[in-house]
Amino acid sequence: GAVVSQHPSWVICKSGTSVKIECRSLDFQATTMFWYRQFPKQSLMLMATSNEGSKATYEQGVEKDKFLINHASLTLSTLTVTSAHPEDSSFYICSAPQGNTGELFFGEGSRLTVL
Amino acid sequence: DAKTTQPPSMDCAEGRAANLPCNHSTISGNEYVYWYRQIHSQGPQYIIHGLKNNETNEMASLIITEDRKSSTLILPHATLRDTAVYYCIVSSIQGAQKLVFGQGTRLTINP
Repeated sequence: GAVVSQHPSWVICKSGTSVKIECRSLDFQATTMFWYRQFPKQSLMLMATSNEGSKATYEQGVEKDKFLINHASLTLSTLTVTSAHPEDSSFYICSAPQGNTGELFFGEGSRLTVL
Repeated sequence: DAKTTQPPSMDCAEGRAANLPCNHSTISGNEYVYWYRQIHSQGPQYIIHGLKNNETNEMASLIITEDRKSSTLILPHATLRDTAVYYCIVSSIQGAQKLVFGQGTRLTINP
């Protein structure tokens, strides 16, 4: 199946700094990618839809100025957590659809820890 | 998208069939049933999906009731590596790209 890769797989940063997470579709093009966040022992929560060449669409309650999304090419979307705080510590996961079956391919996830 | 209800947890013995139920009584005519699973600290993995006919692939079988209000995911010969959280999601093909995850079923395969 299609491969979606995230980088870094884990990152530790100081409070107040910004962290960028990359999501790449390795063997297909993705005009749309999705970003999820998952806290311990909870389900995945959709944060935003990343659209190639246009602005991202954010879910209700997700601050667009806090979580900057850039989808500059058909194979890369980035999520930047700006001015990170400990409550932003979470598992961030991206996904991308391939084909028209509705199947989503997910990245391995990126675990962010803010000290 | 229609809401789904799954048991929070299940256990199954290694080598036996694992049957995971899902209720989706408000499913509409154009909505599919999708199953994904998430092994600890990894991204979710697609398993199978179906509309109204039963489906089978190399990973699992999906049995959908005739009224489409419920379904069962069957792992025919569960292994320890099948221990994961299994999510049943109902969505249209168009909406399936933007999946909304419920709490899922935490399946534990016991040796």
